[in-house]
Amino acid sequence: ETGVTQSPTHLIKTRGQQVTLRCSSQSGHNTVSWYQQALGQGPQFIFQYYREEENGRGNFPPRFSGLQFPNYSSELNVNALELDDSALYLCAGAKADLGYTFGSGTRLTVV
Amino acid sequence: TQLLEQSPQFLSIQEGENLTVYCNSSSVFSSLQWYRQEPGEGPVLLVTVVTGGEVKKLKRLTFQFGDARKDSSLHITAAQPGDTGLYLCAGAWYNDMRFGAGTRLTVKP
Repeated sequence: ETGVTQSPTHLIKTRGQQVTLRCSSQSGHNTVSWYQQALGQGPQFIFQYYREEENGRGNFPPRFSGLQFPNYSSELNVNALELDDSALYLCAGAKADLGYTFGSGTRLTVV
Repeated sequence: TQLLEQSPQFLSIQEGENLTVYCNSSSVFSSLQWYRQEPGEGPVLLVTVVTGGEVKKLKRLTFQFGDARKDSSLHITAAQPGDTGLYLCAGAWYNDMRFGAGTRLTVKP
């Protein structure tokens, strides 16, 4: 149990559809970051939320959006899915400078 | 291009051997972290280094942060099959952490 739970664990969607991925973080994780990890690659930063506001964004198009809620949960939404969006999506909670705690990820396959 | 370059990309060794993997950048980081990731799981934090020249030991793992805080190394002594995994370095970058592509280590019995 890492303190960060992601759902669903696996998901298959069709190109053009929309998807919402969820992350539940333990109390005190006031920062949440989302990463995309393609097969054989390191995680690529999508965006970060701090106290429910976007606090930084990587090189991802606007169809990637997110929300953070007061109960430390968050969502990643992706519109108009493309085949290249197939990847492991990781959510990470952080408290101060104590390092990131990652969830096990959601494996998204776009067909 | 990656902000952090890790080498080697792949490493396959026999149980009992020593190894070193490297993480290099042209940027200065306020801190650098090493993670280990197993298939189907998220990365797990191993260590955070903050001070240039800092050396930290975690059992058979030794982590070093370069004097200029641009690079780091991870040395494993007497590797075991349980050390198999993807080793990722990550540098603190503005409001977030940026990752290298990782070194995939396989330790054969």
